[in-house]
Amino acid sequence: EDKVVQSPLSLVVHEGDTVTLNCSYEVTNFRSLLWYKQEKKAPTFLFMLTSSGIEKKSGRLSSILDKKELFSILNITATQTGDSAVYLCAVEGKYGNKLVFGAGTILRVKS
Amino acid sequence: KAGVTQTPRYLIKTRGQQVTLSCSPISGHRSVSWYQQTPGQGLQFLFEYFSETQRNKGNFPGRFSGRQFSNSRSEMNVSTLELGDSALYLCASSLYTGGETEAFFGQGTRLTVV
Repeated sequence: EDKVVQSPLSLVVHEGDTVTLNCSYEVTNFRSLLWYKQEKKAPTFLFMLTSSGIEKKSGRLSSILDKKELFSILNITATQTGDSAVYLCAVEGKYGNKLVFGAGTILRVKS
Repeated sequence: KAGVTQTPRYLIKTRGQQVTLSCSPISGHRSVSWYQQTPGQGLQFLFEYFSETQRNKGNFPGRFSGRQFSNSRSEMNVSTLELGDSALYLCASSLYTGGETEAFFGQGTRLTVV
């Protein structure tokens, strides 16, 4: 059964800190790994990763995938209070658009 | 470009009733997936529709069903509601099926069963 484990479960940091969120997975016929940010309702798409070692960046956020060790990290630099949210990691396996989600990491950024 | 639209945003139903939720995907997107989110189980896949056909199904009872129309809009139905069906129901829109495609979520429908 496909499985995604995220760590830490929750994290409290101060504005300006850098955080690293972890996602490890077990999936049959891996296709992609996706990161989402969920504040209130709709998870907002951040990144989709399909290839190892290629960093994806968007502003202060970046992510990289290691398909050999079966994990991904999401980095947020110079954190702001607006980064406070639940960060979700999901993988796609052999069933294509069926996403398997981790439990999420709750990030709280204090001013 | 409009995002994924889900209606209604909130619903309160009593046990035993049935409910229908609606999802309009991003224009041009043909795949619609449904997820249930609860504090205890997190986000769980219900089913995916593409070109009016169910492509994938999660591990939910037959009380949960769905369909997709020719304009890619999708509906999800839950019959004989149970208290445990109280959840946030999210729909995700993708350009095509088969994976490796970004999925964008709607705001969700918050269903409360009393």
